[in-house]
Parts: sequence; structure tokens; C-alpha cells
Amino acid sequence: DAKTTQPNSMESNEEEPVHLPCNHSTISGTDYIHWYRQLPSQGPEYVIHGLTSNVNNRMASLAIAEDRKSSTLILHRATLRDAAVYYCILTTQGGSEKLVFGKGTKLTVNP
Amino acid sequence: NAGVTQTPKFRILKIGQSMTLQCAQDMNHNYMYWYRQDPGMGLKLIYYSVGAGITDKGEVPNGYNVSRSTTEYFPLRLELAAPSQTSVYFCASNRRRGVSYNEQFFGPGTRLTVL
Repeated sequence: DAKTTQPNSMESNEEEPVHLPCNHSTISGTDYIHWYRQLPSQGPEYVIHGLTSNVNNRMASLAIAEDRKSSTLILHRATLRDAAVYYCILTTQGGSEKLVFGKGTKLTVNP
Repeated sequence: NAGVTQTPKFRILKIGQSMTLQCAQDMNHNYMYWYRQDPGMGLKLIYYSVGAGITDKGEVPNGYNVSRSTTEYFPLRLELAAPSQTSVYFCASNRRRGVSYNEQFFGPGTRLTVL
């Protein structure tokens, strides 16, 4: 599976938008981009995923660069509950469902 | 639905002891996974199963065994516990149909300490 690169940490203020970047320059045409997050002392939870087009759901938006070598997870209005480690993960369409977790980005949300 | 449940929540083992970490899911998912997470690190896949009776190794399988006799349960067995197995263990599951992606659901974890 192709590798992803994320900043170690980011900080935001409550009720402001947050843009979490992810670089995946070796992504292949059949790789999905997934985002999971892990709240303190909990198991990871799914946030969003996409292949080529931008995606929106009730939790977040995923903006995918035209060349697919990077993507951005957008939290439109950060809340204290959004403080977590966010993981950007690639998997191959039709391939294994195995998720390979890096260290992710630790998001701190200030009140 | 209870989702993915794990027992116990915490456990302390002595070196050389054995134990089984329990995992159950009530979502009729065909795929199940075991991960471990060391402090400050991401999760690493230990074993996974694509259905009852079928298991395969992940990235870090040494020192562990699994079995899956039913869809619902996927226990993880530690034989001869070592301090290097001190970690938080997460079980996960999802439904796989064709090539479409279905999110993994994770349990709350089991915190294991080996002294």
C-alpha cells in the first residue's frame, strides 16, 4: 500500500474550520483515501473516504487534489469533541481491507 | 446493536502466562481484525479473518494465535506472554461485498500489561 505523510500535530480554536493535510505522492489509480480518527482512550472511528471526487458527510468533507497526490480533511466547525488523532490511510480498490495506520495528526482544539 | 465488544478491558499478566482476548460483533460482518497499539504509535495489524474458518497473518503475528469458528467471535490467544506484548489491543470488523469499501468498526480495546 502507498504511504501517507501527515503533520504530527495541529491546533485549532473551537468553532473555527480545520484543514488537516495528507500527502500521498505514490498513490495509484485504484487507491482509496480514508480518514479515521481516534478520540482519547477509544478505538478508531471512521470519518470519511473517497477515490477521486470531493466527498461530504455529516462529520467532515474530504477535498482531493486533482492529481490525487494530496488530500485535505475539513472539519467545518471544530468542537472540543473533535480533539483526536486523525489518520489518513490508503487502501487498494478491490484489494485487501487491511488498514495501515501511521502516527497520524494529533489535533488540539482550544476553547 | 452492541457493535464490537471486547473483554476484558484491562489485564495484567506475568511473563510466561497465557490468555485469550475476546472479541464479538453483532453486525453479521464477515471480516474481522485484531490490531495492537503501542504508546504514541498507530495501530498495527496482528491477524485478520475474511469469514468463519479463514484467518491470515497481518504485520505483527508472532506470539499470537487466532481462530474463528463462527461469524460473531474472533478470539486472540497470547501464549507465553512477554513484556513486548504490553499494548492496547483493538478488535474491528466490517462487511465486505465485492470491491466497494465498507468502514471498519472498532471495539473499545483491551489494555494489557505484561510484567
